[in-house]
Amino acid sequence: ELKVEQNPLFLSMQEGKNYTIYCNYSTTSDRLYWYRQDPGKSLESLFVLLSNGAVKQEGRLMASLDTKARLSTLHITAAVHDLSATYFCAVDSSGGATNKLIFGTGTLLAVQP
Amino acid sequence: EAQVTQNPRYLITVTGKKLTVTCSQNMNHEYMSWYRQDPGLGLRQIYYSMNVEVTDKGDVPEGYKVSRKEKRNFPLILESPSPNQTSLYFCASRPGQGLAKNIQYFGAGTRLSVL
Repeated sequence: ELKVEQNPLFLSMQEGKNYTIYCNYSTTSDRLYWYRQDPGKSLESLFVLLSNGAVKQEGRLMASLDTKARLSTLHITAAVHDLSATYFCAVDSSGGATNKLIFGTGTLLAVQP
Repeated sequence: EAQVTQNPRYLITVTGKKLTVTCSQNMNHEYMSWYRQDPGLGLRQIYYSMNVEVTDKGDVPEGYKVSRKEKRNFPLILESPSPNQTSLYFCASRPGQGLAKNIQYFGAGTRLSVL
């Protein structure tokens, strides 16, 4: 059974600092997604990582995938308050053949001024 | 505007009273899913569909039914709701091919309370 673990579950950081959120998964997959959820809102797709070594960047966020280690990271550079949200990773172990996704429990990020 | 529309957004009901949460997408997507979100558990997939008349169970299908008679609609049916189905529900869709095939679009959510 595929398990997806994120850590930390809660992250409080100051503006201007850097930090990394980790997403570990338990079975082979080369398809990993990152989503953002603002309080009381729906989920927004951030990154799609489709192969070992994939790296995607958007603004102050950068995501990478290491399929051998079964690990994805979401790196935050010089955090700003607008990045405060809950971040989820999700894994598809079917190679995209189905629509079955397993989500991590989420990381609540609070960026303090 | 491309969107996934869920209705209702909020619902309070009583144990055992059948209900349906509707989901409709206007993007001609093949894939659709239902998730529930509970504190500390993240999102868990209830059912998913890969096309019309093709559905399969996710991780927590017990107590739920779905149907996919038309491509745009994917209703979630609770035949006999129980309090442990109190949750925030999301519908999502994505295309089956093309450059955007891995981008999943989520509805705004339905907050359900079963008393």
